Amino acid sequence: DQQVKQNSPSLSVQEGRISILNCDYTNSMFDYFLWYKKYPAEGPTFLISISSIKDKNEDGRFTVFLNKSAKHLSLHIVPSQPGDSAVYFCAASITGGGNKLTFGTGTQLKVEL
Amino acid sequence: EAGVAQSPRYKIIEKRQSVAFWCNPISGHATLYWYQQILGQGPKLLIQFQNNGVVDDSQLPKDRFSAERLKGVDSTLKIQPAKLEDSAVYLCASSHYLNEQFFGPGTRLTVL
Repeated sequence: DQQVKQNSPSLSVQEGRISILNCDYTNSMFDYFLWYKKYPAEGPTFLISISSIKDKNEDGRFTVFLNKSAKHLSLHIVPSQPGDSAVYFCAASITGGGNKLTFGTGTQLKVEL
Repeated sequence: EAGVAQSPRYKIIEKRQSVAFWCNPISGHATLYWYQQILGQGPKLLIQFQNNGVVDDSQLPKDRFSAERLKGVDSTLKIQPAKLEDSAVYLCASSHYLNEQFFGPGTRLTVL
C-alpha cells in the first residue's frame, strides 16, 4: 500500500529552465509534507517542507505547492542548475504521529547543460 | 557539527549469515531512526528510538531483525539470518526529539 506516490521515476530539464516534481498521497491524515534531496552514496538531506494549513512555501529557488483537495504536491525549482541533479523524495507525516515519515519512491532529476 | 556516522559503508554476505550495522547520531539528538531503502523504493522506517526506548517498531521484521540503543546514544541494527530480499541500503537518521531528521550516508548490504 503505497501511501505516497511519485509517478515519474525520472525527469530531464535544461539548465536555467523550471523543474517540476510531483507527488500524490492517499492518506488524508497526512498534514505535513517534506522534500528531501539525495546524491549518490549520501543520505537524504532536507530541502523544504509545507504544513497543510498553507498552500505554498518558498525558499530561494525552491517552492512547494500543496493542493489538499487533490492530495497533490509539487516542487518547483527555478532556475534549475546542474548541481540540482539528484534523486528527490517526497515524504509525509501526521502531526502527533511521532515524526514518522512515509516516503515516495523518488524522482531522478537530471539538469543538462 | 559532526553528522550522523554509520559503519560499515558496504557489506556483502551470503544468505543465512548474520550482519550488524552501527550508527552514531548527532550529539544531543534524542531520537534515532533506522530506515531500509530497497532499490527503486523510498526509505521505509524500521524502528524509532527516543533515548533508549523504542517508540515505533511496527515495520521491523522481528523474526530476523533486532536493534538496540544502549545508553541512548549509539545504536546497532542486526539481521540474523539474512535473506536475499534484505539487500538494501540501511539508513540511520537522528533528530532533536520530533524535529528535522538528519540522515547518515547509509550502509549498502548485498546478500548473495
